[in-house]
Amino acid sequence: EVQLVESGGGLVQPGRSLKLSCLASGFTFSNYGMNWIRQAPGKGLEWVASISSSSSYIYYADTVKGRFTISRDNAKNTLYLQMTSLRSEDTALYYCASTHIAAMRYWGQGVMVTVSS
Amino acid sequence: DTVLTQSPALAVSPGERVTISCRASESVSTLMHWYQQKPGQQPKLLIYLASHLESGVPARFSGSGSGTDFTLTIDPVEADDTATYYCQQSWNDPFTFGSGTKLEIK
Repeated sequence: EVQLVESGGGLVQPGRSLKLSCLASGFTFSNYGMNWIRQAPGKGLEWVASISSSSSYIYYADTVKGRFTISRDNAKNTLYLQMTSLRSEDTALYYCASTHIAAMRYWGQGVMVTVSS
Repeated sequence: DTVLTQSPALAVSPGERVTISCRASESVSTLMHWYQQKPGQQPKLLIYLASHLESGVPARFSGSGSGTDFTLTIDPVEADDTATYYCQQSWNDPFTFGSGTKLEIK
C-alpha cells in the first residue's frame, strides 16, 4: 500500500523558518518525481514546487521562489520542503504528492502550517 | 503563467449527466489532469493525460480535450460524487491548478 506521510508543520511566527518532511512507502520512491501542493483554509489547491526523481529538475511557484527549497533523500525515501521568511499568506495545509505519468497520483493527508504572531 | 478557468459551481440530480469544463489560457497539449476532493480529504486523481481513467475510478468518469479546452464528464452522477473537482496542467511551468468546480447533487 502506498503511503505518503507529511510531518513538521505547526505554528510559526512571520519571518521564521520551518521544514516539512514527507516519508514515502509502498513504491520505489527514487523512480518518481515529487511535489508539494498547498491549500489555504477554505480555498483551492495551489501547486508549490516539484522535483524530479534524481533532483535534476526543480520548479517553484512564483509565490515561493527564493523562499522555499524542495529537496529529497532517495536513500531515506523522504521529500523535504524548507520554508524561510514565512508570511501569513503561507498559512495552509501542505500536501506532498508523487508524480506518475505527469499527474499527481498519490497524495498524503497533509500537514498544517500556520504563520501568525 | 497558464491560467485554468473552471465554472465555480454546478448542481445536478442523481442519474443525470454532468460536464465540468476547464479552459487553459494557452495550450497544454494533453497534459491535463482531473482531481476530486471531498471535504476533509486529500485530492484524488480521476483522469490523467486528458482522457485516461485512473485505475479504480468508476467508468462513469471520463475526460476529453486537448490544447486549451478540456472536459470532465460524469454519467450518470451519483450522490457520492458531491465534491470539488480541480483540473491541473503539467505542460507549462508553473504547474497550475484550476480554481475548482463545486458539484452539488440535488
